[in-house]
Amino acid sequence: GAGVSQSPSNKVTEKGKDVELRCDPISGHTALYWYRQSLGQGLEFLIYFQGNSAPDKSGLPSDRFSAERTGGSVSTLTIQRTQQEDSAVYLCASSLQDFGYTFGSGTRLTVV
Amino acid sequence: DQQVKQNSPSLSVQEGRISILNCDYTNSMFDYFLWYKKYPAEGPTFLISISSIKDKNEDGRFTVFLNKSAKHLSLHIVPSQPGDSAVYFCAANDYGGSQGNLIFGKGTKLSVKP
Repeated sequence: GAGVSQSPSNKVTEKGKDVELRCDPISGHTALYWYRQSLGQGLEFLIYFQGNSAPDKSGLPSDRFSAERTGGSVSTLTIQRTQQEDSAVYLCASSLQDFGYTFGSGTRLTVV
Repeated sequence: DQQVKQNSPSLSVQEGRISILNCDYTNSMFDYFLWYKKYPAEGPTFLISISSIKDKNEDGRFTVFLNKSAKHLSLHIVPSQPGDSAVYFCAANDYGGSQGNLIFGKGTKLSVKP
């Protein structure tokens, strides 16, 4: 596609429910990244996929967070048993081999 | 521990004047630095980058300066325009190193007044 597409753009969920956030990267981009931005904070790295290599999960804040990337393309970030501190904008980015990230518009997650 | 620091959360500048946004880093292995710009409800967009073999990179109204000995970089916008009002993020990494992702600062919100 022309850009990185994320869905939904907004999600309100009740505490304790599971949510799935989707990212459609730019076609042909081998690297895919998930970041989140909490209120007043910078961009916090979550997870990184590069080609067929094992993902770098070092930024995931707890075992309630997981992500997968199917067929080297679409990625889904899943948050189980959501908590209020999970409220943030979740940003996906893709790139070729360098750091020329192209970000999506993000999913604003609100846990009530 | 923050490896990339933007100590000014906000900056206000008059239209036509220079905007200077600052960024400090702690990891001496970082050798590639970028600035991203973010408007509300949009994802960050790439603005300008610099590798550690240079001390200056210029692109139109935007110039990034790198001082490796001080572990400091700055973004200069001249002249500033109201459309430049956005949050600016500094990012860094050691290109080709073990960490595959960019490390971002917390951002500086720039307001350019007409």
